[in-house]
Amino acid sequence: AQSVTQLGSHVSVSEGALVLLRCNYSSSVPPYLFWYVQYPNQGLQLLLKYTSAATLVKGINGFEAEFKKSETSFHLTKPSAHMSDAAEYFCAVSADTGRRALTFGSGTRLQVQP
Amino acid sequence: GAVVSQHPSWVICKSGTSVKIECRSLDFQATTMFWYRQFPKQSLMLMATSNEGSKATYEQGVEKDKFLINHASLTLSTLTVTSAHPEDSSFYICSARPRENMNTEAFFGQGTRLTVV
Repeated sequence: AQSVTQLGSHVSVSEGALVLLRCNYSSSVPPYLFWYVQYPNQGLQLLLKYTSAATLVKGINGFEAEFKKSETSFHLTKPSAHMSDAAEYFCAVSADTGRRALTFGSGTRLQVQP
Repeated sequence: GAVVSQHPSWVICKSGTSVKIECRSLDFQATTMFWYRQFPKQSLMLMATSNEGSKATYEQGVEKDKFLINHASLTLSTLTVTSAHPEDSSFYICSARPRENMNTEAFFGQGTRLTVV
């Protein structure tokens, strides 16, 4: 069984400020972890993924995330927020075996204030 | 990059009618595709796993006679919402993973907004 908890359904930051979106996971097998971004009425775009290689993962648009096994966390960060970063962000987990369907967190809506 | 296309992007139908949503992998083959449902301001919930050449695997609580899934080829899966009702109104998203590399991420379609009136 696997699950994802995203702390904070809404996060608001000022433009240029640090973005930190929290994700904790639970998995009975070694996990694959993902962060996706969703803009209104659109599908999901992959930001980055962890697949048991480097624990610090760099993604698109300046985002990165660090896999911390001891804390069962995979928090998403970006040093400087841009207005275009305003969107819904989903953390997801899948097992590295089997059919590998994704289990999503509840999502975090990021607002960027000018 | 791998592209997954969903059609239609949005559809409005009358109660009692059926609606078919297509999910196509445009530049890769997918043995397995996944169908998700997303209610407004909520997360994605897995509905079913679509398996090419065999029956779909449905998640607990999802009516298989209501949501018919067909995976007729390695590039196409369809979801048919039968006898649609207003409570079926939702955002439906499919995803697919390339058959030749199961270690890659799943690629998502752009979603289909279904409104039943």
